[in-house]
Amino acid sequence: EPEVTQTPSHQVTQMGQEVILRCVPISNHLYFYWYRQILGQKVEFLVSFYNNEISEKSEIFDDQFSVERPDGSNFTLKIRSTKLEDSAMYFCASRGHARPEAFFGQGTRLTVV
Amino acid sequence: DQQVKQNSPSLSVQEGRISILNCDYTNSMFDYFLWYKKYPAEGPTFLISISSIKDKNEDGRFTVFLNKSAKHLSLHIVPSQPGDSAVYFCAASARAGGGADGLTFGKGTHLIIQP
Repeated sequence: EPEVTQTPSHQVTQMGQEVILRCVPISNHLYFYWYRQILGQKVEFLVSFYNNEISEKSEIFDDQFSVERPDGSNFTLKIRSTKLEDSAMYFCASRGHARPEAFFGQGTRLTVV
Repeated sequence: DQQVKQNSPSLSVQEGRISILNCDYTNSMFDYFLWYKKYPAEGPTFLISISSIKDKNEDGRFTVFLNKSAKHLSLHIVPSQPGDSAVYFCAASARAGGGADGLTFGKGTHLIIQP
């Protein structure tokens, strides 16, 4: 069964460093998303990406964040200068065109120290 | 501003009985609702969804009911099994099948199935 894969599963980084989280969405999907979940809190929408551009972003997705689809398979989230409060599980998701059910990856646990 | 609310942080149900998880929403623009199940250290797994033009959708042991006038939906699991123990998230979308709108999630309900 096709699935969304994310790497790495756990990333530890120092405050102020840049980090790139990687995702391979399901191959025939057209919409791509990043969400995050701070420990003990709800899953929060960060950004959606369609047709090689951002289609929507939340207030959380400020100038420190960027997304890219550098080739036909990868979808990345970059945080330029990480802060302690960026520590969270980051989930990538993708969906096809006809239905709004998004399928999520296993997540990357980002720990900023 | 919580647009999707799950007011029960946890729910304990005996194995074999019915589990009922509730969700309320405030945004009238939501037109598609989804339930996700999540185990620790894993991503949310899609369970079942319902369009706002319906009031019920059933898939095996899972049934979702939607009451648009009350802005309320519920997920029924019957019979409940030990493997159903997980956190259940209600989510909503404002552009069903069309645009790239992200999902708005509730805070989740931790369902515990007791033997």
